[in-house]
Amino acid sequence: NAGVMQNPRHLVRRRGQEARLRCSPMKGHSHVYWYRQLPEEGLKFMVYLQKENIIDESGMPKERFSAEFPKEGPSILRIQQVVRGDSAAYFCASMTSDNEQFFGPGTRLTVL
Amino acid sequence: DQQVKQNSPSLSVQEGRISILNCDYTNSMFDYFLWYKKYPAEGPTFLISISSIKDKNEDGRFTVFLNKSAKHLSLHIVPSQPGDSAVYFCAASGSSNTGKLIFGQGTTLQVKP
Repeated sequence: NAGVMQNPRHLVRRRGQEARLRCSPMKGHSHVYWYRQLPEEGLKFMVYLQKENIIDESGMPKERFSAEFPKEGPSILRIQQVVRGDSAAYFCASMTSDNEQFFGPGTRLTVL
Repeated sequence: DQQVKQNSPSLSVQEGRISILNCDYTNSMFDYFLWYKKYPAEGPTFLISISSIKDKNEDGRFTVFLNKSAKHLSLHIVPSQPGDSAVYFCAASGSSNTGKLIFGQGTTLQVKP
């Protein structure tokens, strides 16, 4: 049973470009959480999605960031017009029915 | 507003001794607490959890203690092993907040052989 998969593992973008981060939850999991870890900090919640629905986006920046979890395919975290402050590790987690969250290996975004 | 705090950025212990990692929280609505371990360039790995109806949960070398009145929890690792060297995050969630986890800043544990 493959774990949570994220790709790419490393992503380099220039300021103003778009970044797309993908997350495939564990088989059978339909809940996905996205977290961001800035250097020297803990993980900060961004968004919680179920298939085709955004349940809680209270941690998402109001502009440039969006997330989706379509009926088919991975969850996508999209960052438009990236800035240097977006450089961070982005983790997704999928959740079992008994509320245990399993994390992927993360995508490390570097904005030049 | 840091609702979950780990005030010790780092901890160093000798192999075989006890490691005690501490965590404080401010939100009384939290009712489930977790500890995660993280190696560099990897995602957090779940270690152990505790519900607010309990004050202790033990799993092998790992024990978590919860003091609700003090809004404090701790993770005890005994005996500590060099492979335990990692960053440890405590996290909290509440039944009313959609399951999202609120993380502390992390404590880097170094276990010396």
